[in-house]
Amino acid sequence: EPEVTQTPSHQVTQMGQEVILRCVPISNHLYFYWYRQILGQKVEFLVSFYNNEISEKSEIFDDQFSVERPDGSNFTLKIRSTKLEDSAMYFCAGKSSYNSPLHFGNGTRLTVT
Amino acid sequence: TQLLEQSPQFLSIQEGENLTVYCNSSSVFSSLQWYRQEPGEGPVLLVTVVTGGEVKKLKRLTFQFGDARKDSSLHITAAQPGDTGLYLCAGTFSGAGSYQLTFGKGTKLSVIP
Repeated sequence: EPEVTQTPSHQVTQMGQEVILRCVPISNHLYFYWYRQILGQKVEFLVSFYNNEISEKSEIFDDQFSVERPDGSNFTLKIRSTKLEDSAMYFCAGKSSYNSPLHFGNGTRLTVT
Repeated sequence: TQLLEQSPQFLSIQEGENLTVYCNSSSVFSSLQWYRQEPGEGPVLLVTVVTGGEVKKLKRLTFQFGDARKDSSLHITAAQPGDTGLYLCAGTFSGAGSYQLTFGKGTKLSVIP
């Protein structure tokens, strides 16, 4: 069964560095999302992406964050200048239509030191 | 900001017992989903409910959506150790961002053999 795949599984970076988290959605997905989960806390919405543009974003998704789908396949989340509080699991998710189920990847654990 | 409350936060039971976990909101859900999350993995969708009063069954799991679409329950019959995991409810709300899911903190279930 097709899966949403995320790379890397674990990323360690120093504060102030840029990171790019990568996701390969299932091929027929049209709606794409990034969520994050700080250790011990709930899964939080960051951003949704449809038709090559951001549909919605949360308060967390400030100017330090950006998303793109450069080649019609990979879906990336960039954090320009990481902060300690950016340490979390970052989940990519996708779905094929507005009402279809959301499929999550296994996440990238980001550790900012 | 929409809030989902899940209870209990932790639940430890013996194999073979029945259990019910709850999800509540002060706002009306447009749709509600239940996920299960294993450590180090992304949430996996169990069910979606959209109609008030709806009941769905998935083997030993029974999901119920409240008539007013503000609450839901997940009942597990004859729990097995394989049911151990974090059960998350997540919903979309009319009027709020329609692309985003709001998650609860989850119920961490442990089924002891």
